[in-house]
Amino acid sequence: EVQLVESGGGLVQPGGSLRLSCVASGFSFNNHAMHWVRQAPGKGLEYVSAISSDGGSTYYAESVKGRFTISRDSSKNTLYLQMGSLRAEDMAVYYCARDDDSSGYYYNNDAFDIWGQGTMVTVSS
Amino acid sequence: QSVLTQPPSVSGAPGQRLTISCTGGSSNIGAGYDVHWYQQLPGTAPKLLMFHNSDRPSGVPDRFSGSQSGTSASLAITGLQAEDEADYYCQTYDSSLSGYVFGTGTKVIVL
Repeated sequence: EVQLVESGGGLVQPGGSLRLSCVASGFSFNNHAMHWVRQAPGKGLEYVSAISSDGGSTYYAESVKGRFTISRDSSKNTLYLQMGSLRAEDMAVYYCARDDDSSGYYYNNDAFDIWGQGTMVTVSS
Repeated sequence: QSVLTQPPSVSGAPGQRLTISCTGGSSNIGAGYDVHWYQQLPGTAPKLLMFHNSDRPSGVPDRFSGSQSGTSASLAITGLQAEDEADYYCQTYDSSLSGYVFGTGTKVIVL
């Protein structure tokens, strides 16, 4: 079964850090770019970040640039999101998602065809 | 504020036909970038419903269809069913933002 399972969410104070993980199974992780998308409570979806299959290319939304770092470990079939300088507005459910193109890069016309169940990040003192 | 605007909600009776619009601009839908649609059932993760404007992933019933024209895209649901009650989001790429964008989301209510 093709699956993505996130973990690492929790309660963190403003200014703090947290690392999210997303373990992939059931498909060739090394063939796909990966993405992070978040959803604040009661709000819509917001695109966060992307990484190519070899980790050589990354993209960040302006709202997280300079504070978040996306990475991946092919030996563990795992995607990461290192979040720092967290703010109240970062509070959300964070989803990892697979890029539908199996070339390994993320292109303008790509969709996100597999999603994890999400992990909640709460930023509060 | 998203660059893709969707109606907050649409409603219909079982069996009816609904359409959800996704209005963008010249830097996204109007530039020819593919539009994708996601369905989010209550309390669950989003699921890809329609990709590359009008293609359905395996398992998605043909009651769902997608189209795109000019700076807008639409998702149509025919033969509305109670299980279609969910939030729906469009998504594409925006060249001005140099990134992927989601629509504001539409809640489908089955009366």
